[in-house]
Amino acid sequence: GQNIDQPTEMTATEGAIVQINCTYQTSGFNGLFWYQQHAGEAPTFLSYNVLDGLEEKGRFSSFLSRSKGYSYLLLKVLQMKDSASYLCAVTRDYKLSFGAGTTVTVRA
Amino acid sequence: EAGVAQSPRYKIIEKRQSVAFWCNPISGHATLYWYQQILGQGPKLLIQFQNNGVVDDSQLPKDRFSAERLKGVDSTLKIQPAKLEDSAVYLCASSPQLATGGTYEQYFGPGTRLTVT
Repeated sequence: GQNIDQPTEMTATEGAIVQINCTYQTSGFNGLFWYQQHAGEAPTFLSYNVLDGLEEKGRFSSFLSRSKGYSYLLLKVLQMKDSASYLCAVTRDYKLSFGAGTTVTVRA
Repeated sequence: EAGVAQSPRYKIIEKRQSVAFWCNPISGHATLYWYQQILGQGPKLLIQFQNNGVVDDSQLPKDRFSAERLKGVDSTLKIQPAKLEDSAVYLCASSPQLATGGTYEQYFGPGTRLTVT
């Protein structure tokens, strides 16, 4: 099975840092994606982790621990445009399974 | 590079009616996916094509849903007859190929928002 758990909502202030956690249970794990989805729009790719460790890409970083079934997405220096849903997705046998998403609200 | 195209963007039908969605993937992308995203949930894979062959349709409700990708490019997803619980956004995505150990990012289209009344 592939239970993917992430918090439903998070709120943070502009300029701050927010960490979105994702835990998963899956066999045959290939890798883990993070996607951003603004309301009414399609998901867009943020990051992909296949090995343990931290991947940094500008203001966004993603971490993976395969032994713990755990990942997080770190959003730094938050901007109003970062208000969106963040989807954790696990790949197994080339298929993607998504979590329900975490809605991040950035306040001025 | 043009993105994934979908039409229509919105559709409202009554239950028991039929509806069809169309998707044109990014040129050269061999793999095409259809997802169903119910409000407040993550996308759920319905069917996955590699060229014109089905790779996985285990979560497709085959009694009412069908999909095809006859020439390995465009794809259509059909629902017949529709039920109230089919109200959702239907997302099409494509990727260059099946994973061979590297990144196989999926590119999503804008989706079709279906409302069944």
